[in-house]
Amino acid sequence: SQQGEEDPQALSIQEGENATMNCSYKTSINNLQWYRQNSGRGLVHLILIRSNEREKHSGRLRVTLDTSKKSSSLLITASRAADTASYFCATGINQAGTALIFGKGTTLSVSS
Amino acid sequence: GAVVSQHPSRVICKSGTSVKIECRSLDFQATTMFWYRQFPKQSLMLMATSNEGSKATYEQGVEKDKFLINHASLTLSTLTVTSAHPEDSSFYICSAPGQGVQLFFGSGTQLSVL
Repeated sequence: SQQGEEDPQALSIQEGENATMNCSYKTSINNLQWYRQNSGRGLVHLILIRSNEREKHSGRLRVTLDTSKKSSSLLITASRAADTASYFCATGINQAGTALIFGKGTTLSVSS
Repeated sequence: GAVVSQHPSRVICKSGTSVKIECRSLDFQATTMFWYRQFPKQSLMLMATSNEGSKATYEQGVEKDKFLINHASLTLSTLTVTSAHPEDSSFYICSAPGQGVQLFFGSGTQLSVL
């Protein structure tokens, strides 16, 4: 089964609102990554948080990691219509952390 | 930044034919590349690890004779879907690790088997 499980599966919000997506995983990790995928296209790496970090920011993105609960959250603040996409968390299953297991993803729709 | 080029972006083929998908690291060398498959409205599933100069490592449930992987150079890995059937229709995407843990993904290939 997949390493990461995300909720919600789908999220619809208005522009300007914040969007929060959650991810849970099953085994110990070295890091957790978040990716974005526009419909039918490749992946864009958003942010990586290491297992010894609790929170990380990048622009309007804020990621938290709770290793005791094996969970992470991605917060997008002040969302825009252009943020509409699917978002996936991923963890590495090999030693280098480069072979990824992806969560089921959250489809975010931001309407203007 | 590092770029991974994947070709073709879309392919339509008849059932029973074979399709080759290429994944190139354009400005860096990659001894390892990864192949994923994604069905509509689903997540990406790791299929195999492509190793330069040696055999690919396949994930459980992935048929190695069905999905042939060749990694003949430090910048090119190919995935050949042999004797494709409609159930092989999917989005295939590759990735290659750059320095550190950062991964670079190709833009994907949408395969449609008629």
